Amino acid sequence: EAGVTQSPTHLIKTRGQQATLRCSPISGHTSVYWYQQALGLGLQFLLWYDEGEERNRGNFPPRFSGRQFPNYSSELNVNALELEDSALYLCASSYGRIGGELFFGEGSRLTVL
Amino acid sequence: AQSVTQLDSHVSVSEGTPVLLRCNYSSSYSPSLFWYVQHPNKGLQLLLKYTSAATLVKGINGFEAEFKKSETSFHLTKPSAHMSDAAEYFCVVSENSGYALNFGKGTSLLVTP
Repeated sequence: EAGVTQSPTHLIKTRGQQATLRCSPISGHTSVYWYQQALGLGLQFLLWYDEGEERNRGNFPPRFSGRQFPNYSSELNVNALELEDSALYLCASSYGRIGGELFFGEGSRLTVL
Repeated sequence: AQSVTQLDSHVSVSEGTPVLLRCNYSSSYSPSLFWYVQHPNKGLQLLLKYTSAATLVKGINGFEAEFKKSETSFHLTKPSAHMSDAAEYFCVVSENSGYALNFGKGTSLLVTP
């Protein structure tokens, strides 16, 4: 069974540009979570999607947004990139609501120059 | 509000000696607690989870953790460290009524020969 897959593995952008990251959950999982792992800051919760709806978001500005498609895959968009957006972005999926195990992808590393 | 504090940012042990990674939590409700491990350039993998059943939880690769409500702690232990245990370890809390996991800042475990 395929795990959570994320693309691209690496992405380099310049300040002010937009970045789009993609995530495919494990088959049968309806919830997708996005986390930002910046150097020295640990994992910060970004967004949670379940059944196509945004269920919760962390303390991030509106230029961080996303969506979940009917096949439960998800996209994370970061507009007006800033240098401090450089980080590893991790996607995780689970079946149903939080409280159970999250299965993580290997992440997309975004570098903003 | 729920949060976790990992008391050590770095822990170094010799191969074959015990491992202790400390975690204290704060939660208004009955929490679910997790330990995840992240090997270099990899996603996170669940080691073990506590969800109000037995207070001593056994996980993969010989790790275990004990939930102590009176001390609000959920320390991770292993009797004998192996070189392959070198990784970043995250303590995580989720309130049963919550919608996201809150990660600690992580403890980097170094295992020396």
